[in-house]
Amino acid sequence: GENVEQHPSTLSVQEGDSAVIKCTYSDSASNYFPWYKQELGKGPQLIIDIRSNVGEKKDQRIAVTLNKTAKHFSLHITETQPEDSAVYFCAASVQRDDKIIFGKGTRLHILP
Amino acid sequence: DAGITQSPRHKVTETGTPVTLRCHQTENHRYMYWYRQDPGHGLRLIHYSYGVKDTDKGEVSDGYSVSRSKTEDFLLTLESATSSQTSVYFCAIGRERYGTEAFFGQGTRLTVV
Repeated sequence: GENVEQHPSTLSVQEGDSAVIKCTYSDSASNYFPWYKQELGKGPQLIIDIRSNVGEKKDQRIAVTLNKTAKHFSLHITETQPEDSAVYFCAASVQRDDKIIFGKGTRLHILP
Repeated sequence: DAGITQSPRHKVTETGTPVTLRCHQTENHRYMYWYRQDPGHGLRLIHYSYGVKDTDKGEVSDGYSVSRSKTEDFLLTLESATSSQTSVYFCAIGRERYGTEAFFGQGTRLTVV
């Protein structure tokens, strides 16, 4: 079946540095790729998304890139801050069904 | 949280008992989803609904059933709870097909002893 692989599972970066999280997907028909941030004790919250007709999207300090040929997409966080510490999930739509499939998550630690 | 309420927020139940979790939305979104979240597994889809009385299975549906008699409510039932169903359960809602902008509830922590 379709799946989404996410790497790394844990990432520690110095405050102010950049963080990159990478995902690959298997369904070539996927056309929607959201990223979610989950803080402790809360539900996942959408932070940015990208559609297959766009290669890159930015929103302040976060950006997402998509390579449809390679079936890769990545989340980039620049100038990291303590409040960026959380678990981040990538996901991809499954065209033949009305759903999205999630990666297993990346725990991001911002070091002081 | 985008008008989604999950109840209860926490529950402890005994093995073999039935359990029902409720998701209520005020956004009038067509799609509703139940996920479970476990360490090392991320978010896995249990069941989802694409309209009143229209539901389908996700990747981990065994031991679970759902019902949606109204647009705003999506119920998840564990017919006979097992310890392997100890998890955090999240409900999500979405407006459009092919899963766009799913909004999540706060979660229900279920412990089966």
